[in-house]
Amino acid sequence: NAGVTQTPKFRILKIGQSMTLQCTQDMNHNYMYWYRQDPGMGLKLIYYSVGAGITDKGEVPNGYNVSRSTTEDFPLRLELAAPSQTSVYFCASMPNYGYTFGSGTRLTVV
Amino acid sequence: KQEVTQIPAALSVPEGENLVLNCSFTDSAIYNLQWFRQDPGKGLTSLLLIQSSQREQTSGRLNASLDKSSGRSTLYIAASQPGDSATYLCAVFGSFGNEKLTFGTGTRLTIIP
Repeated sequence: NAGVTQTPKFRILKIGQSMTLQCTQDMNHNYMYWYRQDPGMGLKLIYYSVGAGITDKGEVPNGYNVSRSTTEDFPLRLELAAPSQTSVYFCASMPNYGYTFGSGTRLTVV
Repeated sequence: KQEVTQIPAALSVPEGENLVLNCSFTDSAIYNLQWFRQDPGKGLTSLLLIQSSQREQTSGRLNASLDKSSGRSTLYIAASQPGDSATYLCAVFGSFGNEKLTFGTGTRLTIIP
């Protein structure tokens, strides 16, 4: 039981490049979330999913896309990376009670 | 829109002291409230989860309380240790139909040996 696994842990992107942040959970949780955390700030919700095939926007969805084809996987896609997307990204899943977070992906756009 | 505030933003106390961290939220229609710990450059570790029907939860030296009517929660840490130094985040989870966790900006705690 690995919990929530995020890959990669670190990445440097050039402006305009694209990439996918991977998130996998092996706990059969229906709810999954993507947050970003900027330095000295709290976590802001980007997108979330309440089950396979269902996704919805959070507070800061612009510049991102998600898909949820399976219960286990919830990848986050960055198209045309911008410096404003430099942040630490956390994926989380939720069973009936409480959240479990992945260890994060630190992304720098230069 | 739910807003979560944590005061103070930073706190330094000598080792051994008891301390209280505060969290307030604007919308009392919550499903639960969760306290997390975050070490520098690391992910989030769940400390305590309080359901909306509960008043408090305890784990070891930690005790969290919840007062929905006033929109407040406190995290009490007894007999603080240098290893307690971290940023503490509270987050509230909305009622069903609004299943989103809204975070406060955190309190950075430093325990002075």
